[in-house]
Amino acid sequence: AQSVSQHNHHVILSEAASLELGCNYSYGGTVNLFWYVQYPGQHLQLLLKYFSGDPLVKGIKGFEAEFIKSKFSFNLRKPSVQWSDTAEYFCAVISPFGNEKLTFGTGTRLTIIP
Amino acid sequence: GAGVSQSPSNKVTEKGKDVELRCDPISGHTALYWYRQSLGQGLEFLIYFQGNSAPDKSGLPSDRFSAERTGGSVSTLTIQRTQQEDSAVYLCASSSSGVGETQYFGPGTRLLVL
Repeated sequence: AQSVSQHNHHVILSEAASLELGCNYSYGGTVNLFWYVQYPGQHLQLLLKYFSGDPLVKGIKGFEAEFIKSKFSFNLRKPSVQWSDTAEYFCAVISPFGNEKLTFGTGTRLTIIP
Repeated sequence: GAGVSQSPSNKVTEKGKDVELRCDPISGHTALYWYRQSLGQGLEFLIYFQGNSAPDKSGLPSDRFSAERTGGSVSTLTIQRTQQEDSAVYLCASSSSGVGETQYFGPGTRLLVL
């Protein structure tokens, strides 16, 4: 069974700081990887995804993530955060050859201080 | 185009009552998923429908939970004899056909069982 770990439960940063949120998954086969974001009072939205190809993927709002297969990691990064990035961030994995279930991490709450 | 919609947005019920939650997926999406988001449990997969295939019910927590999808579109999640531990946000997502495709989430139904 696949699982996802997000070790940072709550991250507090000042505006303009750089961000890196950790995501590790356990699954031995091919995976598709996602980061979803949930802004306060809003529903889950796709931030970015990795299916194949270039392991560095760019998403909306200046976010990017790097898939490192050897480390089973898919960390989310942003060079300079804004107050509007305050949200909860979820990493998720799905096996394209499996049962189509998205397995989510427990989420990281990001608070940006103006 | 319209996204995934869910109704009601909020539901308060008494322990022991039955509830029905509705999901309207994105038009043309053949895959539909139900998830539950609760404190301490994160996002849990409940059930998955793909086209006319038998649904994957492996995530349903008990036999009090059931779901159906009529005409390959609208889905209803039913919880019988609700318990306080059923209190959560119930999320619906849909995706186009194809393995590992991006899932688009609705706003959720917040269920509170008193």
